[in-house]
Amino acid sequence: AQSVTQLDSQVPVFEEAPVELRCNYSSSVSVYLFWYVQYPNQGLQLLLKYLSGSTLVESINGFEAEFNKSQTSFHLRKPSVHISDTAEYFCAVSNPGGSYIPTFGRGTSLIVHP
Amino acid sequence: GAGVSQSPSNKVTEKGKDVELRCDPISGHTALYWYRQSLGQGLEFLIYFQGNSAPDKSGLPSDRFSAERTGGSVSTLTIQRTQQEDSAVYLCASSLGQGVSYEQYFGPGTRLTVT
Repeated sequence: AQSVTQLDSQVPVFEEAPVELRCNYSSSVSVYLFWYVQYPNQGLQLLLKYLSGSTLVESINGFEAEFNKSQTSFHLRKPSVHISDTAEYFCAVSNPGGSYIPTFGRGTSLIVHP
Repeated sequence: GAGVSQSPSNKVTEKGKDVELRCDPISGHTALYWYRQSLGQGLEFLIYFQGNSAPDKSGLPSDRFSAERTGGSVSTLTIQRTQQEDSAVYLCASSLGQGVSYEQYFGPGTRLTVT
């Protein structure tokens, strides 16, 4: 069985400040890791994913996440946030040998203040 | 092109009534997924289809829940004798195939409120 823990339900920050959204997972086998973003009144969108190779993955809008196997973490970071980054962020994990249906965390609400 | 659409966007129903939720996937997507998002909870997997068959129904919470897919396209999630704990946002997603290399594209969801 696998599980995902997002340690913060809500993260308020000021515009242009750095942010880190924390994600820890548990799995007895190797994992694939994902971050999804859900903007207000929209469906979830894939932000970035780690499948293999480089442990640092980046999105097109400045977010990055690093797979840390020893700490079983996949934290999401951005050095300078914008108002438009206000959204719900979900971390998810799946297993290469399984059905690939991801297990999602409870989500972190990122609130960017001007 | 058109994304995944779901209808209705909002549904309020009385306890004990049946409801049908509809999902129109992206054209050509063979895999379709249903999830449930309850307040303060993550996404809970319900069922997935490959074509018209459902290889994995493990997430359906009770026999009041059922789903079908016809013509390899539209899917309907039916909840019979709704209960208040069924109140949630029901999300549908589709992908070109079934596997981690195929990105899931999500619809905006149907918000179900059982009074």
